[in-house]
Amino acid sequence: EAAVTQSPRSKVAVTGGKVTLSCHQTNNHDYMYWYRQDTGHGLRLIHYSYVADSTEKGDIPDGYKASRPSQENFSLILELASLSQTAVYFCASSDARNYAEQFFGPGTRLTVL
Amino acid sequence: GEQVEQRPPHLSVREGDSAVITCTYTDPNSYYFFWYKQEPGASLQLLMKVFSSTEINEGQGFTVLLNKKDKRLSLNLTAAHPGDSAAYFCAVSPASSSFSKLVFGQGTSLSVVP
Repeated sequence: EAAVTQSPRSKVAVTGGKVTLSCHQTNNHDYMYWYRQDTGHGLRLIHYSYVADSTEKGDIPDGYKASRPSQENFSLILELASLSQTAVYFCASSDARNYAEQFFGPGTRLTVL
Repeated sequence: GEQVEQRPPHLSVREGDSAVITCTYTDPNSYYFFWYKQEPGASLQLLMKVFSSTEINEGQGFTVLLNKKDKRLSLNLTAAHPGDSAAYFCAVSPASSSFSKLVFGQGTSLSVVP
């Protein structure tokens, strides 16, 4: 079964600080995604990647960077964390042959103070 | 781009009753449709994947209906039980997108009371 893990599972950061969220998948999937979930809202796509060393902007990329150093790993970077970035962040992966079906990680709860 | 509207945002039903959650979407060329279940503090679990060529899909204790004419997707939980209490999200894969991203509905928080 698909396995997507995220670290840390929760984090408290200070405004203006740098935050890195990590995602690791063992599915041998080509596509990886970062979403954020805010209370009362669905998931919104921040960044995605379809191959190592390449990332693409999603629907809400402002204030976020992404890095895909290998097929298995995908990071989300907040260079200057802000209060508005308090949310739950989900990583997902999908197979290029079946790319619409995404498998999600457990999520990271980020609180920016 | 694709927009997905999900209703209701909150739903409370008694055990044994049915619960219906509906999503409407805007892109008539959308091809894949998904329902996810999210239990408190947990990740999203895929309930069902629906292709645009199939209008009715049945799972364990639920039915998914796709009305392409009205661009409406619904999840009907028959005989709900407390274990169904969770947040439910629809997601649509718009064919117009350059790659197959998912556009999510806002979610429905379902509470099944004994």
